[in-house]
Amino acid sequence: QKEVEQNSGPLSVPEGAIASLNCTYSDRGSQSFFWYRQYSGKSPELIMSIYSNGDKEDGRFTAQLNKASQYVSLLIRDSQPSDSATYLCAVSGGGFKTIFGAGTRLFVKA
Amino acid sequence: SQTIHQWPATLVQPVGSPLSLECTVEGTSNPNLYWYRQAAGRGLQLLFYSVGIGQISSEVPQNLSASRPQDRQFILSSKKLLLSDSGFYLCAWINGAGTEAFFGQGTRLTVV
Repeated sequence: QKEVEQNSGPLSVPEGAIASLNCTYSDRGSQSFFWYRQYSGKSPELIMSIYSNGDKEDGRFTAQLNKASQYVSLLIRDSQPSDSATYLCAVSGGGFKTIFGAGTRLFVKA
Repeated sequence: SQTIHQWPATLVQPVGSPLSLECTVEGTSNPNLYWYRQAAGRGLQLLFYSVGIGQISSEVPQNLSASRPQDRQFILSSKKLLLSDSGFYLCAWINGAGTEAFFGQGTRLTVV
């Protein structure tokens, strides 16, 4: 079983819609959860972090965490073509290892 | 603020040749440093991490090695490259709590 799993996509949504990205993880001891955005050929960029159950909102982005279900998601409201990228879920157990999922490719159609 | 310098940006090397990728960090001391590799269309695979000078943890057995000769310097090496070593190599600084992360620009390595 992979440590961090994501649907590879591609996920295609129309401009202005809500994009929903999902991630599951296997280590119940995980404490920190992150979403990174990576444009083609570029380095990943941290966009959201969440540490406790529930929702965390930052602008058009909302991260949701459910530790009991070992599930973390990212919602992007009012999706824009500039949001088209690969979104990487990452999980840390509070130590020094941050494990990344394979990423979900998102396409926002104008 | 923290800055990560990674070079070169692009590298084409023949099979069997050596490799040395360098990463330096500015704006922080005693950083936790990481080397990741990303194959085309894939996620980031953790290769090595280091919590201090001379301290290296290897996550995947392979023909690569890493060294931390100075606090803010992290080097990825190979004595003989394989075709399967091709990929996008990323150096990262991630703080102890995992709440901040910065990546270098990456090195796209093609082994031919």
